[in-house]
Amino acid sequence: EAQVTQNPRYLITVTGKKLTVTCSQNMNHEYMSWYRQDPGLGLRQIYYSMNVEVTDKGDVPEGYKVSRKEKRNFPLILESPSPNQTSLYFCASSLLGLQETQYFGPGTRLLVL
Amino acid sequence: AQTVTQSQPEMSVQEAETVTLSCTYDTSENNYYLFWYKQPPSRQMILVIRQEAYKQQNATENRFSVNFQKAAKSFSLKISDSQLGDTAMYFCAFIPLIQGAQKLVFGQGTRLTINP
Repeated sequence: EAQVTQNPRYLITVTGKKLTVTCSQNMNHEYMSWYRQDPGLGLRQIYYSMNVEVTDKGDVPEGYKVSRKEKRNFPLILESPSPNQTSLYFCASSLLGLQETQYFGPGTRLLVL
Repeated sequence: AQTVTQSQPEMSVQEAETVTLSCTYDTSENNYYLFWYKQPPSRQMILVIRQEAYKQQNATENRFSVNFQKAAKSFSLKISDSQLGDTAMYFCAFIPLIQGAQKLVFGQGTRLTINP
């Protein structure tokens, strides 16, 4: 089954404790991206990747890191999480770029205390 | 800056009625894509419909259609014969086709409730 998976689905952590949210797709998609969803703000793009080893900032990259060492994986790293990073996070992928249908993961709800 | 505005935070209609969700956007680009995404209570994001700016014909997908007014920078979604399963958050989204850029801008969302 074609899908985008994220882990964990739920995470409670404390300020400053490094964490990684994994994202994996099995559709051989070139393009992957991360979003955060906050009430009243919709979804905002954090980082995106056009291909392996090619990443770029979205609109809200501060406090986040990403890497794209393999085509299928695009982990989101929070080196020192803060409470303002409490949010719902989505990973998405598409074949070549945003102009095509994006397939979203199920979301990761993060609470930073 | 590219922005997308959904002016209706919440809407509610009876089953089988027609409902229109509004979306306006701001851009200086001439080429771009517009999307409507649906997010049901499961939180899964699902593409509803897509419109390319260079196409004058409004996109249609079964009960879903758009009214794309390029000059007015307006992109409304019409849901005909609404069903209980249409209850969801709906997000309008926009991609300017700038070479080398792949940024997707979402609106704030409209929470739609279909009542039995």
